[in-house]
Amino acid sequence: DTGVSQDPRHKITKRGQNVTFRCDPISEHNRLYWYRQTLGQGPEFLTYFQNEAQLEKSRLLSDRFSAERPKGSFSTLEIQRTEQGDSAMYLCASNGHTGELFFGEGSRLTVL
Amino acid sequence: AQSVSQHNHHVILSEAASLELGCNYSYGGTVNLFWYVQYPGQHLQLLLKYFSGDPLVKGIKGFEAEFIKSKFSFNLRKPSVQWSDTAEYFCAVNQDSNYQLIWGAGTKLIIKP
Repeated sequence: DTGVSQDPRHKITKRGQNVTFRCDPISEHNRLYWYRQTLGQGPEFLTYFQNEAQLEKSRLLSDRFSAERPKGSFSTLEIQRTEQGDSAMYLCASNGHTGELFFGEGSRLTVL
Repeated sequence: AQSVSQHNHHVILSEAASLELGCNYSYGGTVNLFWYVQYPGQHLQLLLKYFSGDPLVKGIKGFEAEFIKSKFSFNLRKPSVQWSDTAEYFCAVNQDSNYQLIWGAGTKLIIKP
């Protein structure tokens, strides 16, 4: 499968713990996006990268959230000191030179 | 601020019924328009897209959408739905030179067999 892959698919953690999600985009895609999706809502933009450069971050992204894409390939999204409100599906997507996004299966975070 | 409105949050239809899901956006410049679908337990996938040209766009699985610039609309249609069309449908828009997608809240479609 050469699509976007995310790991883990599901993470359950206790409030206050740190979690990290990984995304491997489609190999030739230079843009990578992180979104958050909660029940009954469309994807909410968090941040995006062009190659290794983080070009935009949502104002909704608190300081507890950080994302990296060190070599312009895979990306990680870390959430520090998780809160119950962080429970959501975290989606990664990538695209090349078209506007079409290819999504991964998502990483579901449950904060107890 | 730019926004995308999907007026129907839940739609329930019987098999073979015709479908039209509304999508309106608030940006006045050049736009690219998308419909994505999320089947139960699966990831978001592209149904169809409009960048330019013929405003009537055909997508996968018999879906089509019409871009009406004067109405800022991009409604999704299918003449005869199937049970397997049960899913959540999202409309999304971005500006011509900016790949940032603005998403609607989605429409949950349930098809009764």
